Amino acid sequence: GENVEQHPSTLSVQEGDSAVIKCTYSDSASNYFPWYKQELGKGPQLIIDIRSNVGEKKDQRIAVTLNKTAKHFSLHITETQPEDSAVYFCAASISGTASKLTFGTGTRLQVTL
Amino acid sequence: GAVVSQHPSRVICKSGTSVKIECRSLDFQATTMFWYRQFPKQSLMLMATSNEGSKATYEQGVEKDKFLINHASLTLSTLTVTSAHPEDSSFYICSARADFGVETQYFGPGTRLLVL
Repeated sequence: GENVEQHPSTLSVQEGDSAVIKCTYSDSASNYFPWYKQELGKGPQLIIDIRSNVGEKKDQRIAVTLNKTAKHFSLHITETQPEDSAVYFCAASISGTASKLTFGTGTRLQVTL
Repeated sequence: GAVVSQHPSRVICKSGTSVKIECRSLDFQATTMFWYRQFPKQSLMLMATSNEGSKATYEQGVEKDKFLINHASLTLSTLTVTSAHPEDSSFYICSARADFGVETQYFGPGTRLLVL
């Protein structure tokens, strides 16, 4: 089955700096890669996703890049703010009726003033 | 749009009792719902996948007789933890997917279960 690795496990940046979180996946058939933000005591919230037919997607301060050959994808957050502090999870899945997400281990992002 | 609710948000129960958790898609019809369990500082672990009107598919190692799932309508799935024990204490989260051709899963706010 699919295996998703995520690094780093913790990340501390100063407000205004950029943060990058990286994930690798094992199954070359995976073609959908969402990123979720989870605040303490809450459910995960979808912040951005990318499909394998594109290499990059951007939404304001958030961007995701995908390298299918290397089987890795990254989340980039620019101009970080304290409210970006949370745990971020990457995930991968294969399209289809049996589609299910395989999650990475999570990255705890701390944005300091 | 794409709002998923869960009820209750937290529950405390005695060992041996059963607990039912509801998951609702509020503004869309969910052909597929998923149930996850998350222990502190860990990732989400998929427990089972449920499709409306059919039996749930459980992940390896998840006891189907202990974690009963019912997906009776396109907007409601329930998870019943039967004969709960302290080791079942966890954060249970559901998600819903709107259509077979769209992979996006929208998550509920989670239910924290504490079994005494």
